[in-house]
Amino acid sequence: DARVTQTPRHKVTEMGQEVTMRCQPILGHNTVFWYRQTMMQGLELLAYFRNRAPLDDSGMPKDRFSAEMPDATLATLKIQPSEPRDSAVYFCASGLAPGRVVYNEQFFGPGTRLTVL
Amino acid sequence: GDSVTQMEGPVTLSEEAFLTINCTYTATGYPSLFWYVQYPGEGLQLLLKATKADDKGSNKGFEATYRKETTSFHLEKGSVQVSDSAVYFCALRGSGGSNYKLTFGKGTLLTVNP
Repeated sequence: DARVTQTPRHKVTEMGQEVTMRCQPILGHNTVFWYRQTMMQGLELLAYFRNRAPLDDSGMPKDRFSAEMPDATLATLKIQPSEPRDSAVYFCASGLAPGRVVYNEQFFGPGTRLTVL
Repeated sequence: GDSVTQMEGPVTLSEEAFLTINCTYTATGYPSLFWYVQYPGEGLQLLLKATKADDKGSNKGFEATYRKETTSFHLEKGSVQVSDSAVYFCALRGSGGSNYKLTFGKGTLLTVNP
């Protein structure tokens, strides 16, 4: 069945290194979301793409984080340079753009667990 | 802004016990409300939803009723199973221009013992 895939599933890196996380949305979905999950803050929306265009990245620290969709089958989240406080689980989700009434479900990937030492 | 408050866990129950996880929200307009479940090592999955006041969402024996007068959306199940052990998230989707955005509660860890 169709699923959102994320790579890598786990990443351990040292402070200052660049980290790139990848997401393959479900074929046919035109929205992509990046979330960060921590014990302290819970789930936070980092970025939202619709038809590959970034529409909301207000939750993302701009100085070190960047998110792109090079094509419809790939979304990337990059951290450069990484810091220990970036340690978290990063989820990608995809779906169809919501209409005025109908909510279209967000389908979550399994997440990338990032540890920055 | 929009916010969701759900009871802190962890919640530990015996199999076949009754489950309630409280959730209240603050939002303008007419939000839609959701419960998501996260099993260990997996992403979140939509469990149930309700899009207007007095709607009842239900799935897999779980139920929640959208109560506008009390701004609540409590999750209930009459008889839990070991396989229900997971983290449960209450969430809302705002109305208007930010209707793509989900605001989540902090999550409640449920452990069901045999």
